[in-house]
Amino acid sequence: QSVLTQPPSVSGAPGQRVTISCTGSSSNIGTGYDVHWYRQLPGTAPKLLIYGNKNRPSGVPDRFSGSRSGTSASLAITGVQAEDEADYYCQSYDTSLDDYVFGTGTEVTVL
Amino acid sequence: EVQLVESGGGLVKPGGSLTLSCAASGFNFKSYGMKWVRQAPGKGLECVSSISGSSSDIKYADSVKGRFTISRDNAKNSLFLQMNSLRAEDTAVYYCARAAAAGNYFDHWGQGTLVTVSS
Repeated sequence: QSVLTQPPSVSGAPGQRVTISCTGSSSNIGTGYDVHWYRQLPGTAPKLLIYGNKNRPSGVPDRFSGSRSGTSASLAITGVQAEDEADYYCQSYDTSLDDYVFGTGTEVTVL
Repeated sequence: EVQLVESGGGLVKPGGSLTLSCAASGFNFKSYGMKWVRQAPGKGLECVSSISGSSSDIKYADSVKGRFTISRDNAKNSLFLQMNSLRAEDTAVYYCARAAAAGNYFDHWGQGTLVTVSS
């Protein structure tokens, strides 16, 4: 049921840069709707990580950055740390469904 | 501090009913749209239902339309989800989430409540 597509998993050694892609379509990201990102630590609720494509809420480290281009978006973790192991979800708005839509989710593993 | 606390989850038989509640505090509840989002075991996130601050705009996912009813009581800072005709595929953790005032995203989430539909 997820409308946005993400890679199932990505991994990197501590200190490396990892990126997560989020691919949508002309009815969501491609229309110009913003992309937002959430991090979900094991056994906990999702938490807002990036909003409006590239903005970080207060308290989110600046090693997290986001971007959007065309029908896709990406989240980058520059200098990944062990505590960043979690599931990450992108989210946007879809005009066909007239509702918020989520990505399929990506599990980040720190080697 | 914004807080959202869900309750009401549990084990229910197929075809049964359950009502979830979400107690909100720390913000002007009536000024925000609210949503229920669920996550089946080991799966991703799915928007189930949404309601505007005044209850004038209500939406449901096709998967629950006709079976679930969302409502809110602004005087009691509470959000509800009445779930009828429950199916095994409704088994999930249900989160209430606050829609951001500016932008189509969730700026706060509750801790979730587990609903298990099984005989």
